[in-house]
Amino acid sequence: DGGITQSPKYLFRKEGQNVTLSCEQNLNHDAMYWYRQDPGQGLRLIYYSQIVNDFQKGDIAEGYSVSREKKESFPLTVTSAQKNPTAFYLCASRIQGGPGNEQFFGPGTRLTVL
Amino acid sequence: AQSVTQPDIHITVSEGASLELRCNYSYGATPYLFWYVQSPGQGLQLLLKYFSGDTLVQGIKGFEAEFKRSQSSFNLRKPSVHWSDAAEYFCAVSGGGGNKLTFGTGTQLKVEL
Repeated sequence: DGGITQSPKYLFRKEGQNVTLSCEQNLNHDAMYWYRQDPGQGLRLIYYSQIVNDFQKGDIAEGYSVSREKKESFPLTVTSAQKNPTAFYLCASRIQGGPGNEQFFGPGTRLTVL
Repeated sequence: AQSVTQPDIHITVSEGASLELRCNYSYGATPYLFWYVQSPGQGLQLLLKYFSGDTLVQGIKGFEAEFKRSQSSFNLRKPSVHWSDAAEYFCAVSGGGGNKLTFGTGTQLKVEL
């Protein structure tokens, strides 16, 4: 089955540690996205990538980093510079093309920093 | 800059009653609009989308939405709600570089049996 995989489902880290969240898709989509979700704030865009080896900052990129070495993979690193990293993180992908093409979402990773 | 407003944070309806969730958008050009649904602790699933043509759009699970340009609205409706519809609903507009989605803050739907 085609889809988006995020692992792990739950992640716990100590304050000051970097942590990497995995996102893999087998939909052959060109574009991939990372969102952060906090209660009452909807989803906010962290980073996005439209093609391999290229990515752009979203609205809340500070304290995060990404890479896009393969079309299928778009890992997100939450660095120690992120002041409030505890949140639910969602990865999405879409076929390249016009804005009418929808994004498909993974199941999410809940990160808790202790 | 594009933006989306969902004025209702929580809505409670009885099973079998009709439902309308409000969404207002701000976008300078032709809007591409989406409704997504999220069950607790899960990802988002697309319910329906609008980008041209008929202003009444049909989606999955019996949902529909009506695009009204004069009111900058894209309200989601369902004639008869089922208990399984309890979830959080997000309206979004697409555009700009990277065809980014801008989401509203969501409406939490509770269904009373």
